Amino acid sequence: QVHLQESGPGLVKPSGTLSLTCTVSGGSVRSSNWWIWVRQPPGRRLEWIGEIYYTGNNNYNPSLKSRASVSVDQSKNQFSLTLISVTAADTAIYYCARGIHPGSAVASLVQQWGQGTQVTVS
Amino acid sequence: EIVLTQSPGTLSFSPGESVTLSCRASQSVNSRYFAWYQQRHGQAPRLLIYGTSNRAAGIPDRFTGSGSGTDFTLTISRLEPEDFAVYFCQQYSSAPLTFGGGTKVEIK
Repeated sequence: QVHLQESGPGLVKPSGTLSLTCTVSGGSVRSSNWWIWVRQPPGRRLEWIGEIYYTGNNNYNPSLKSRASVSVDQSKNQFSLTLISVTAADTAIYYCARGIHPGSAVASLVQQWGQGTQVTVS
Repeated sequence: EIVLTQSPGTLSFSPGESVTLSCRASQSVNSRYFAWYQQRHGQAPRLLIYGTSNRAAGIPDRFTGSGSGTDFTLTISRLEPEDFAVYFCQQYSSAPLTFGGGTKVEIK
């Protein structure tokens, strides 16, 4: 059973960089999955941030205006999120997740989620 | 992007009753690429339904998904205590993938 666990600072200063890591256990980041980041600001809906395939292909939400970057570290069986130039609007619970693009889908079915980690920009 | 609207925000039911949740899309969604998730308080979200009507592994048959085009529903029959949670819909028919705002099913 694959387990996903987010880690990283819970507090980031405005204009700084948010960096989170997701450790994958019970499975490999080299498997045929998309490794995904989703966030939920307080009182708002879930927002897909971006994703990476083990081959290194990336997709990002245009709403983040190129501030987000998702990378994978196969040696550590982890994948990471970097979000630059953060503001208070980036305060949210951040989830890492695992997904697939079934059939001819151009976006991910999110099959499994981590517990989430609170990040506050202040 | 496709906006998913779930209403109402909260539904109140008693255990044993059945409830139907609604999710409406701002434009047509390929029904092969529509999902529902459950999030219990303090827990990670869990995939319930994919492809509009397919139950994920381990999901009991009291959860039924249906719909097409812009209107999708999730029906929970015979509510169990563990079913009181937040449910949200997701489309992966077009990029970027998007989620509904969620419906909370609470105990009356």
